[in-house]
Amino acid sequence: NAGVTQTPKFQVLKTGQSMTLQCAQDMNHEYMSWYRQDPGMGLRLIHYSVGAGITDQGEVPNGYNVSRSTTEDFPLRLLSAAPSQTSVYFCASSGLPGTSYGYTFGSGTRLTVV
Amino acid sequence: AQRVTQPEKLLSVFKGAPVELKCNYSYSGSPELFWYVQYSRQRLQLLLRHISRESIKGFTADLNKGETSFHLKKPFAQEEDSAMYYCALQGGSEKLVFGKGTKLTVNP
Repeated sequence: NAGVTQTPKFQVLKTGQSMTLQCAQDMNHEYMSWYRQDPGMGLRLIHYSVGAGITDQGEVPNGYNVSRSTTEDFPLRLLSAAPSQTSVYFCASSGLPGTSYGYTFGSGTRLTVV
Repeated sequence: AQRVTQPEKLLSVFKGAPVELKCNYSYSGSPELFWYVQYSRQRLQLLLRHISRESIKGFTADLNKGETSFHLKKPFAQEEDSAMYYCALQGGSEKLVFGKGTKLTVNP
């Protein structure tokens, strides 16, 4: 049981480049979320999804796109990377209330934009 | 709106001393509250959820609805408890909102 898998673990981008951070879970969880973690800021919610085909914005959505075509996958796209997007990105998933105990997190993607 | 406040960015205690990490929340309904722990450069792990009323690694947390608090406590801190601790709230929507975290250092 792999849980939540994020790829890549590390990435360096040049300003203006695009990329997709991958997230997959094998627990059949309905809820999936993307967070960014910055020193002194804690974890801030970027986008989240409550099921396939349904996504919504979190606290800091600008510069990021998401889609949820399957229950398992929830990729995060940076269309034109900026240095302000240098951060550690975490994907997380959770089952419906009463079916699982809180969100399970991936191991993170450390992104540097130069 | 959902909001979680962790007033202490840093907390330092000696081994064997009691520790309390504070968490206050703002939410108009009945929230579900969690504590997550992140050891150095690792993924976040669920430590406690208020509904289960468990004790994990000696930590406990009680939801005080009157004071809108969910403080994390341990009577005798250990060096291996050194980590970042995040309080989180899940309200009526499905999203999970975090506080800014408290870095706990347990000195020998």
